[in-house]
Amino acid sequence: DAKTTQPPSMDCAEGRAANLPCNHSTISGNEYVYWYRQIHSQGPQYIIHGLKNNETNEMASLIITEDRKSSTLILPHATLRDTAVYYCIVRVHQYSGAGSYQLTFGKGTKLSVIP
Amino acid sequence: GAVVSQHPSRVICKSGTSVKIECRSLDFQATTMFWYRQFPKQSLMLMATSNEGSKATYEQGVEKDKFLINHASLTLSTLTVTSAHPEDSSFYICSAQQGWDTEAFFGQGTRLTVV
Repeated sequence: DAKTTQPPSMDCAEGRAANLPCNHSTISGNEYVYWYRQIHSQGPQYIIHGLKNNETNEMASLIITEDRKSSTLILPHATLRDTAVYYCIVRVHQYSGAGSYQLTFGKGTKLSVIP
Repeated sequence: GAVVSQHPSRVICKSGTSVKIECRSLDFQATTMFWYRQFPKQSLMLMATSNEGSKATYEQGVEKDKFLINHASLTLSTLTVTSAHPEDSSFYICSAQQGWDTEAFFGQGTRLTVV
């Protein structure tokens, strides 16, 4: 069963902020929200992760709602190189057997940045 | 972010032969490495979880005798596709993480074509 729900595709004008939503209504208390992106024919790239507080790094910001049932990844000034499939994944940070902390990829959101 | 190097990036082999793919963590020690497979226009599917010094844990439906995984050191894991067939043609991707509570970093992927 998918643990996250994302829109299949989105467009964003170059230079504008890209806001990518993700629903994770069944998230449990020990699950973190991770975001990765995959540019065509490359391995996924780590972007950011968080538990309940908003997070920001040099790539993006992650806004998690207070009830933790949804989140938004924000790319503040999208460029053409940000065109990729963006994956929102929930993952535990505890060990309970081999593979218990693995990343399970859904279909993601294909973001197209338009000139 | 941390660097994970995967080699080769592209390989073509004849049906019935074996192919070895290497995954190296260049600037950190990876206690766990994961191997994924991605078919065209599909998401990443986890094949196996590999912990240093122990046997890999394979996902359901993945033949352990066909996809041999070795994780002999904290910086190197290998995936050997034995007796490859055209249906094994795919994009193989590894990821590595330092611990169960850290982010995973991905290699650039290996495009395998079996002819």
